Amino acid sequence: QQQVKQSPQSLIVQKGGISIINCAYENTAFDYFPWYQQFPGKGPALLIAIRPDVSEKKEGRFTISFNKSAKQFSLHIMDSQPGDSATYFCAAQGFQKLVFGTGTRLLVSP
Amino acid sequence: SAVISQKPSRDICQRGTSLTIQCQVDSQVTMMFWYRQQPGQSLTLIATANQGSEATYESGFVIDKFPISRPNLTFSTLTVSNMSPEDSSIYLCSSLGGGTQYFGPGTRLTVL
Repeated sequence: QQQVKQSPQSLIVQKGGISIINCAYENTAFDYFPWYQQFPGKGPALLIAIRPDVSEKKEGRFTISFNKSAKQFSLHIMDSQPGDSATYFCAAQGFQKLVFGTGTRLLVSP
Repeated sequence: SAVISQKPSRDICQRGTSLTIQCQVDSQVTMMFWYRQQPGQSLTLIATANQGSEATYESGFVIDKFPISRPNLTFSTLTVSNMSPEDSSIYLCSSLGGGTQYFGPGTRLTVL
């Protein structure tokens, strides 16, 4: 019940394309859903986050779509760039603790 | 967002020894967290460290193996005790600010 399932495990997208990463959770006590971007040798950096009272949040090229009834949320990266190549983690927060998804390794080819 | 630094950034240690990792936050925070990340894997929460109270450990992690100190609102340490090669990992600290966790750069530990 504490798991967050993330897919795909890896993703290759052409430059300019749309990258889509999906996550699903079970525990309805989760009240905050951040996405983190991690480059090799670095700590995870907060990318964008959403609360369950909102169905969509957009910041620049990054959009979170949130489906509360299905307990699913996704990250869309529009106009993907080679500099977006990194590992992306979804997470779900409840009682101030984060549970992370398994991660998606994104490669944007030039 | 908080700026978090960790020391050391990496270390190579011998089996049976202990290593203390330091985490410094640039602002006062109530809650700090310690995570472990195996190479290529996700993050697993080790414990939550609140200033003025004992750390709270997650299932599978014990105080004798991972003692934590939290002497003030900007600093915490994690000790990895009696290390074995299975402890080789990246150790990350984070702080909670404005409802969001911010992470340090991590400490890459290799145990021989």
